[in-house]
Amino acid sequence: GENVEQHPSTLSVQEGDSAVIKCTYSDSASNYFPWYKQELGKGPQLIIDIRSNVGEKKDQRIAVTLNKTAKHFSLHITETQPEDSAVYFCAARASGFQKLVFGTGTRLLVSP
Amino acid sequence: NAGVTQTPKFQVLKTGQSMTLQCAQDMNHNSMYWYRQDPGMGLRLIYYSASEGTTDKGEVPNGYNVSRLNKREFSLRLESAAPSQTSVYFCAIRLGGQGALYEQYFGPGTRLTVT
Repeated sequence: GENVEQHPSTLSVQEGDSAVIKCTYSDSASNYFPWYKQELGKGPQLIIDIRSNVGEKKDQRIAVTLNKTAKHFSLHITETQPEDSAVYFCAARASGFQKLVFGTGTRLLVSP
Repeated sequence: NAGVTQTPKFQVLKTGQSMTLQCAQDMNHNSMYWYRQDPGMGLRLIYYSASEGTTDKGEVPNGYNVSRLNKREFSLRLESAAPSQTSVYFCAIRLGGQGALYEQYFGPGTRLTVT
């Protein structure tokens, strides 16, 4: 089955810097890759996703890149702000399955 | 997290006690999921239901049972709680139709402690 690895587990940056979180997946049939943000005491919330027929997707300060050959995808946050501090999860879905497999999460801390 | 409600928000159980976690959606979607979240482990799928009346095991189903009695509700039952089941439990629904969007939308969670 699918296995998703996520790095780093914690990431500290200064406000205004960029942050990059990386994930690798094992199943070459996976075709959907969402990223979730979880604030303290809340459920995860989708912030951006990408499908396997696209190499990059951008939404304001957030972007996701996908390298199908290497089976990895990354979340890029530019001009970080303190409110970006949260836990971020990547996930992957294999074609034909209704299940998402999640990475173990990255705790991002943005210091003013 | 409007659209997916979970009850209770917090619960403390003693080892061996039973309880049912409730999840309800008002978004009329077919697929519903139960996850548990533990430090350093991310979100792990316990059970899911592709449609009313059907359920399937996820990654960590042992010690749990589920019921999908109607389209709106998906409950998770712990028959004999163990300390290893101390966790935060999230219910989620899948948005979009067949072959379309696959976003999962999460409820606010239930924090369960088993002593």
